[in-house]
Formats: sequence, C-alpha cells, structure tokens
Amino acid sequence: GESVGLHLPTLSVQEGDNSIINCAYSNSASDYFIWYKQESGKGPQFIIDIRSNMDKRQGQRVTVLLNKTVKHLSLQIAATQPGDSAVYFCAENKLGTYKYIFGTGTRLKVLA
Amino acid sequence: SAVISQKPSRDICQRGTSLTIQCQVDSQVTMMFWYRQQPGQSLTLIATANQGSEATYESGFVIDKFPISRPNLTFSTLTVSNMSPEDSSIYLCSVELRDFDYGYTFGSGTRLTVV
Repeated sequence: GESVGLHLPTLSVQEGDNSIINCAYSNSASDYFIWYKQESGKGPQFIIDIRSNMDKRQGQRVTVLLNKTVKHLSLQIAATQPGDSAVYFCAENKLGTYKYIFGTGTRLKVLA
Repeated sequence: SAVISQKPSRDICQRGTSLTIQCQVDSQVTMMFWYRQQPGQSLTLIATANQGSEATYESGFVIDKFPISRPNLTFSTLTVSNMSPEDSSIYLCSVELRDFDYGYTFGSGTRLTVV
C-alpha cells in the first residue's frame, strides 16, 4: 500500500541553528498533511498542518513546505532549542476521511 | 483541543495474560482511534471505535486479539489479549476534532512490556 516515508532517521543540529526535517509521501490523492512532535514518554503532539492548496504555512518558529510536484513535505524549525529534541512524524490524509498514514519518524537531537 | 486521559501509563505483564487500557476524553467525540507504536517505529492504526457499533479493525488486527469497547461518547477501552512479547509496544488512544488546525489529538500512551 501507499505510505509516507522520511529521508533521515536522525538529525543532529546545533542549538540556535535551523532544522529541516523531510518527508516523502506517495499517495497523490492526499490533500492534508500534519507534522507531529513526540517527546519521550508522551503521545504525538500536533505542530502544524497544511492543505494541498497551499505551498507554505508558518507557525511560531516552524514552517511547513509542501511540494506537490515531487510529493515532498518539510518541516523547518528556526533557532532550534533543546526543547525541540524529539521524534517528528509527518502524516497524510485525504480530507473527508478519518484515516491518516504516518511516516516512520525522524529523531531530532539538539546539541548544546 | 480535547484532553485525553489514558491509563495505565505503563505496565509489565506476563505472557498469556490480558491488559485493558482505558481512554477518557473530556468532550464528546464520535470516533475514537487506537494506535500501536512498536519500539522505534511509527504509528499503526489498530481500529476505529464508534459509540454504539462494533469497532472497525485495520488489516492485521482482529477483534479476538484486540477487543474494544465504546460504551459512550467519552470513553473507550482496548484490551490486548493473550499477550506475547511481540505485543510490547506503546498503545495510543486518539480522537479527531473536526477542526482544521488540530487533526488528531493523542493520549500520552500506554507503554506495555510483555515478559
């Protein structure tokens, strides 16, 4: 079946630098995407989402970019902080349906 | 967003036994979802629980192994039956809010270790 995948399983960045986490999706019918953050011992937490009619959406220190041509999604975190250390998942969905497909996750390590 | 309380938060169980995980939501929701997250892996949907009807299971998951109850619009349970070490995972309850900005809200999960 179709699935969502990630390019890098682990990403290490220096505190204060910008982080970019990537995700490839294969279902061209997906039109809604979410990035989740999962800290150790906790459930995934919503960070930011984007619909397929948008290329970019910004939140507080985070930006999601969507490239539908190559089916690529990225999460940019500005001025990465130690509290950003977590596993990040992308998830795709077809609006109007309840089922989400989650990517394999990228572990972000912030180095002091 | 909804607040989800899930318990137990963790447990260590003997193989062959069963564990029931409870999920309580602070608002009424139509659909509740149960996910499994195996060590170092992503999330896999086990089943969808609607109040007043049988749960809908995803491929690879069966009711005999993962019976689900949904007695009302704020509560659900997932039982992991006849456990084996392969069932060691984090089990997560979630709800979807029909709000563009929130997608799924997850409970904090139940970390299950089967020995």
